[in-house]
Formats: sequence, C-alpha cells, structure tokens
Amino acid sequence: AQSVTQPDIHITVSEGASLELRCNYSYGATPYLFWYVQSPGQGLQLLLKYFSGDTLVQGIKGFEAEFKRSQSSFNLRKPSVHWSDAAEYFCAVGDDMRFGAGTRLTVKP
Amino acid sequence: GAGVSQSPRYKVAKRGQDVALRCDPISGHVSLFWYQQALGQGPEFLTYFQNEAQLDKSGLPSDRFFAERPEGSVSTLKIQRTQQEDSAVYLCASSVRQERTDTQYFGPGTRLTVL
Repeated sequence: AQSVTQPDIHITVSEGASLELRCNYSYGATPYLFWYVQSPGQGLQLLLKYFSGDTLVQGIKGFEAEFKRSQSSFNLRKPSVHWSDAAEYFCAVGDDMRFGAGTRLTVKP
Repeated sequence: GAGVSQSPRYKVAKRGQDVALRCDPISGHVSLFWYQQALGQGPEFLTYFQNEAQLDKSGLPSDRFFAERPEGSVSTLKIQRTQQEDSAVYLCASSVRQERTDTQYFGPGTRLTVL
C-alpha cells in the first residue's frame, strides 16, 4: 500500500542551526513528492516538489530537499533556521497527495 | 491577488445537524480539492473537481458527505447528520491546471466541532 511516514513528531532546533526533516515513502514507482509548511492560522504553502530529474530540489524560503530512491526518502533541509520557520511541516506523495502526519518545528532563540 | 477563502472559519454543530462549508477558489483555477485534517494529523484527500465535474470522490468517508461545484467556481462541502468523528479542519485548495500534480493553493480551513 502507498504510504508516507514522517518519523519525527516534534523537532526543536536553535536559531541559526541546520535543520533536516525526514520523510519516507512506500510507493510502486518513482512518486511525485512534495513538502508543505503550515503556519498557525494560515493555509498550507508549497515549499518544493520533485517529479523527475535532478534529485536535489531547491524551494522557497531557503529550503531544499533530496530524493534518494535507494532509501525511499525525500528529506527537507535548511542550512540556517530562522525563528519564523517555526511551523508544521508536511511531506506528501503521489498525484493523490497522500500526506504524512507532519513534523512540528520549534525554534529556540 | 486574493487567495483561496473559506467560510465559515469556525463552525460548531450539535450531533445530527447538517452543515455546509464554502470554498471560494482563486479566480480562474480549474481544479478544486477538499481535504479533511484531524487534530495532529496530516490532511486527507476527500474529493476533487475539474471545473464543475467531480472526478474523484473516493476519499469521502461516508454517504453523509457531499460536495458540489455547480458552476465550476465556488464549491460547497455538505455534511449531513454530523457525528463527533466529523470534527476536524476542512481544507480547500485550488490549482490553475487540470493536472493533479499542479501546485495547489490552500485556504485557511474551516474548523468544525461537533458536540
């Protein structure tokens, strides 16, 4: 069955530190992959997406993600986190947009 | 420009009541999606429209859920005889093109609480 897993429910990082949020998927073929961010009181916003080609994808707000077929992963990274990055992050897979349960990011001053 | 809007933003219903949730997509967007997001979970797909045609309703949890988009613009999600398990945030999204992988723009959601 197709599924997407975000292993970390909650992550806390210090402002200025690097960030990596994990996403693993189970899918029949190379899927469409997405990362969304949800800030309190706001709608989900697309950070980046991968369909094919270069496995390192650049997104908005300084985020990037790398597709690794051998690990069935699509982890989200940012080299230096800002306080405004505190939010809920969702990985989604497939053209029917199966979302993971999300990872809540807290940023310490 | 204006984004996706949803109304009401909050709705409290007594068990057994019918509710109607409205979505105003971005003008000109062909595709419209509804999702249900339970507390602490990611959004789950409910249904998808391309213009006025409902092409996929496989995610609707029961026949108490009904969605329409009669003129290919505004959409309404109706829940009949609400149950406590229907309590969730209902998200609407729209996209420019018909491809389901096109970038979706989400509204702020309607938080439904069923007492």
